[in-house]
Amino acid sequence: GDSVTQTEGQVALSEEDFLTIHCNYSASGYPALFWYVQYPGEGPQFLFRASRDKEKGSSRGFEATYDKGTTSFHLRKASVQESDSAVYYCALGHNAGAKLTFGGGTRLTVRP
Amino acid sequence: EAAVTQSPRNKVTVTGGNVTLSCRQTNSHNYMYWYRQDTGHGLRLIHYSYGAGNLQIGDVPDGYKATRTTQEDFFLLLELASPSQTSLYFCASSDIGAGERLFFGHGTKLSVL
Repeated sequence: GDSVTQTEGQVALSEEDFLTIHCNYSASGYPALFWYVQYPGEGPQFLFRASRDKEKGSSRGFEATYDKGTTSFHLRKASVQESDSAVYYCALGHNAGAKLTFGGGTRLTVRP
Repeated sequence: EAAVTQSPRNKVTVTGGNVTLSCRQTNSHNYMYWYRQDTGHGLRLIHYSYGAGNLQIGDVPDGYKATRTTQEDFFLLLELASPSQTSLYFCASSDIGAGERLFFGHGTKLSVL
């Protein structure tokens, strides 16, 4: 079955640091890949999506590139802010399917 | 922005109790989902539906029932609640399924004592 692995369970950075959260997936076919963000007390929110090899998704300064060769969709941001502190989820879904598979989540804490 | 509303926001019950969690979406979406969120496990799919009267089993369905009464309303039922079902529950909706974005509610925190 499909699976999504986020390497980092927790990441702690200072403001203006560079962020990388690693996401690798295992799935048949050509799934769509997603990043969601969850702020305290809220439900997850869609950040962005990519659906084909080498496609870059981006939003709010975050970006990730679909890499079918390495089965990866790593999240990056050049300069984090304290307001980016949240839990980030990588996910995959098939266009003809109904189920979205989530990774375990990465808690990002940004110190002022 | 699409709206998904869950109720209640918090619920406390005892072991063996009967609990119903409610979810309403006003997006005219076809798909609705129930997830549970636990530390160390992320988001896990309990049940989902692609229309009124339809129900599909998710990845962690044991101990849960669900019912989709209308296009808008999706309920999660715990008929004999156990402490292992203490969790944060999220409802979500989507127009065409897993290839497009999901819209989540704010969650229901359930404690089973």
